[in-house]
Amino acid sequence: KQEVTQIPAALSVPEGENLVLNCSFTDSAIYNLQWFRQDPGKGLTSLLLIQSSQREQTSGRLNASLDKSSGRSTLYIAASQPGDSATYLCAVGRSDYKLSFGAGTTVTVRA
Amino acid sequence: DTEVTQTPKHLVMGMTNKKSLKCEQHMGHRAMYWYKQKAKKPPELMFVYSYEKLSINESVPSRFSPECPNSSLLNLHLHALQPEDSALYLCASSQDFVGSTSYEQYFGPGTRLTVT
Repeated sequence: KQEVTQIPAALSVPEGENLVLNCSFTDSAIYNLQWFRQDPGKGLTSLLLIQSSQREQTSGRLNASLDKSSGRSTLYIAASQPGDSATYLCAVGRSDYKLSFGAGTTVTVRA
Repeated sequence: DTEVTQTPKHLVMGMTNKKSLKCEQHMGHRAMYWYKQKAKKPPELMFVYSYEKLSINESVPSRFSPECPNSSLLNLHLHALQPEDSALYLCASSQDFVGSTSYEQYFGPGTRLTVT
């Protein structure tokens, strides 16, 4: 069974600091890994999708890396802004094509 | 356009009511999903439709009844719900579900359901 862990559960940083969010998974036989953002009471917004054959993906201030052998992915957000405050979820695409979600990291960026 | 729409945004219903949630996408996606999310928890998969056929039912109680009238629409019919069914119900879609290529899932804004 695929277990996905995100540590820390919550993170508070001053504006301008770089954010580093961690995601670990127990089964390296994954199809992909997707990072989402969720604002309170809202749906999930897809940020980045990394295929199993890729090592990283970049979009603007966001960069996500994937290391299947160690069962880890890291989401970097450069020069954080108060608008980046949200819960960030990682989800691993499994061999049965379903997603296993982590519990999320709630980020607060202080102005 | 990577938009998935859901209606209504909020729904309050009694335990004897019958109501429906609606989801729509116009991205040409052939896989559509229903998830349930409780507060401060990750989404839990309920149903998957692939090419308008039900592919996965995650042992969801029969008081939840999904329907896929066409490739763009997904409904969730609700009947005789319990207060513990109160949650955010999320719809998602992806290009496909089963295959050698993995696909990105796009989520709608959700319907906040309260059962009284």
